[in-house]
Amino acid sequence: AQSVTQLGSHVSVSEGALVLLRCNYSSSVPPYLFWYVQYPNQGLQLLLKYTSAATLVKGINGFEAEFKKSETSFHLTKPSAHMSDAAEYFCAEGSSNTGKLIFGQGTTLQVKP
Amino acid sequence: GAVVSQHPSRVICKSGTSVKIECRSLDFQATTMFWYRQFPKQSLMLMATSNEGSKATYEQGVEKDKFLINHASLTLSTLTVTSAHPEDSSFYICSARDGQGLNEQFFGPGTRLTVL
Repeated sequence: AQSVTQLGSHVSVSEGALVLLRCNYSSSVPPYLFWYVQYPNQGLQLLLKYTSAATLVKGINGFEAEFKKSETSFHLTKPSAHMSDAAEYFCAEGSSNTGKLIFGQGTTLQVKP
Repeated sequence: GAVVSQHPSRVICKSGTSVKIECRSLDFQATTMFWYRQFPKQSLMLMATSNEGSKATYEQGVEKDKFLINHASLTLSTLTVTSAHPEDSSFYICSARDGQGLNEQFFGPGTRLTVL
């Protein structure tokens, strides 16, 4: 069964520091991978998606993620954290057959001034 | 583009009543809609998949008689929580897929249900 693992349920960085949120997927076939952000009491907003066109994917708000097949990883990064980046981040893998998304457990990003 | 709305955003009801939540795709036709439930500080749990004009497919452990899903048109799906109880209190989120994007789902803003 497909599974998505996000290492670290809580990540804390200082404003201006590098953000690194980790995600590992399990699919043995080329996956569809997504990163979403969720602010309190809101739905999910797509940050970026991997569709096999390029291994380095750039998203909104300065975020990017690199697909590494050898490591089955799709880690999310941002060079310089802003206070407004504080939120919950979800990595997800999509099924090409069912269209379903399998979500990771989520990572809470805290940005300290 | 690709906007999904949910109504209501917040609802408080008494135990034993039924609550209907609407999910609409505003600027595209959604062949498939998904309903999720999210508990505080937890990830999204898929409840069911609904396809326009057919019965919803429920995930294991989700009571289909408890959570009635209707997808009557390409832009509207509804989730009815029947005979709601306090344990049904949660954040319910819908998403819609337009059938063209690569499995991308567009999410609604969510509905906070509180059952007293």
